[in-house]
Amino acid sequence: GAGVSQSPSNKVTEKGKDVELRCDPISGHTALYWYRQSLGQGLEFLIYFQGNSAPDKSGLPSDRFSAERTGGSVSTLTIQRTQQEDSAVYLCASSPRALPREQYFGPGTRLTVT
Amino acid sequence: AQSVAQPEDQVNVAEGNPLTVKCTYSVSGNPYLFWYVQYPNRGLQFLLKYITGDNLVKGSYGFEAEFNKSQTSFHLKKPSALVSDSALYFCAVSLYTGNQFYFGTGTSLTVIP
Repeated sequence: GAGVSQSPSNKVTEKGKDVELRCDPISGHTALYWYRQSLGQGLEFLIYFQGNSAPDKSGLPSDRFSAERTGGSVSTLTIQRTQQEDSAVYLCASSPRALPREQYFGPGTRLTVT
Repeated sequence: AQSVAQPEDQVNVAEGNPLTVKCTYSVSGNPYLFWYVQYPNRGLQFLLKYITGDNLVKGSYGFEAEFNKSQTSFHLKKPSALVSDSALYFCAVSLYTGNQFYFGTGTSLTVIP
């Protein structure tokens, strides 16, 4: 079956512009995660959605970052007024409800802020 | 606070030799433990997990990992390395009751022909 997909695969934007990154999880997976991976760094947790519950936003680095998940499926991560330090690969993962929740990752979106 | 440590940024091993990629964790509770692999310009792929039961778990591509509760470690191993195993490896921990996954900083494995 289809895996997690993300779009765009690459995004170059100017400092100060807003960007939207999209994630399509595996069908039937109720949990969805966003991570940020900077060069030479591990994965930084950003936000977590589980079904219709309120999302866990504890990892969002600033109020310029927001995410939504419509209909329990597709998710959009929005970064407003992008800064150069936002440049990174943004990874999305989904997992089934049942424990243990191993995650299935998308290929990522490489964001470059110039 | 929960954390995962991968003490080696880089591991080099000759093709055909056994390999070990180290991982230790610190959690307040019972952990689920995972290994993921990331090939260049790709997302992370799930390799294996420890939930409960046998301390030695087997996963994809001939990899295995040993859970050691007393040492709070979950080292990844393979008896005979292949050049195609060269990649970035991440250890992760999750709690029975938690939502978050905690990832290590990754270990770059290079298998030398």
